[in-house]
Amino acid sequence: DQQVKQNSPSLSVQEGRISILNCDYTNSMFDYFLWYKKYPAEGPTFLISISSIKDKNEDGRFTVFLNKSAKHLSLHIVPSQPGDSAVYFCAAISRVTSYGKLTFGQGTILTVHP
Amino acid sequence: NAGVTQTPKFRILKIGQSMTLQCTQDMNHNYMYWYRQDPGMGLKLIYYSVGAGITDKGEVPNGYNVSRSTTEDFPLRLELAAPSQTSVYFCASSYSGPASTDTQYFGPGTRLTVL
Repeated sequence: DQQVKQNSPSLSVQEGRISILNCDYTNSMFDYFLWYKKYPAEGPTFLISISSIKDKNEDGRFTVFLNKSAKHLSLHIVPSQPGDSAVYFCAAISRVTSYGKLTFGQGTILTVHP
Repeated sequence: NAGVTQTPKFRILKIGQSMTLQCTQDMNHNYMYWYRQDPGMGLKLIYYSVGAGITDKGEVPNGYNVSRSTTEDFPLRLELAAPSQTSVYFCASSYSGPASTDTQYFGPGTRLTVL
């Protein structure tokens, strides 16, 4: 049972354009969501997060939107840069019940072309 | 600070062999985690620890064992390696757990192949 799903295995974008990565979840107990970025041969690194009490969080070029009614979140990268090319994982947690245990999506490979 | 370090980086095992994947963090984090990532899949939690001497199973614990004798170290033991354990293993740590917004910091991973 995949509780966090990233239905697009890959995304290709031109430099300077917007990248939109999507994530859907099924567990209504999730109350905190994170995006991690992973380069080849490295571990994931934290990118941005959002609490379920918010619908938007922004950090520089990165913005995460949360639609609780649709159980959907998205990561917007504007403008996209070649250095953004990586695998992006969406993760979710129920902070009340899960004691730090993240549930990850399958990942989306983002390629930004110069 | 080195953060989270993992050894070895790569390993090939024969079926039935055993090995220990090492993980050390120097951030004084109390929570530590072991994940595995199979091709095209997200990270799945194997075991986690909320402090020295306390460990618990994650989503996919079968075939693995852990111990946590110190705050810094969280080794993962594979007994009787099987081809299904071929994966990339990531160790992570975070400062606190429940009701926390602290992020997890990941090591670089160990790529394990069982033949």
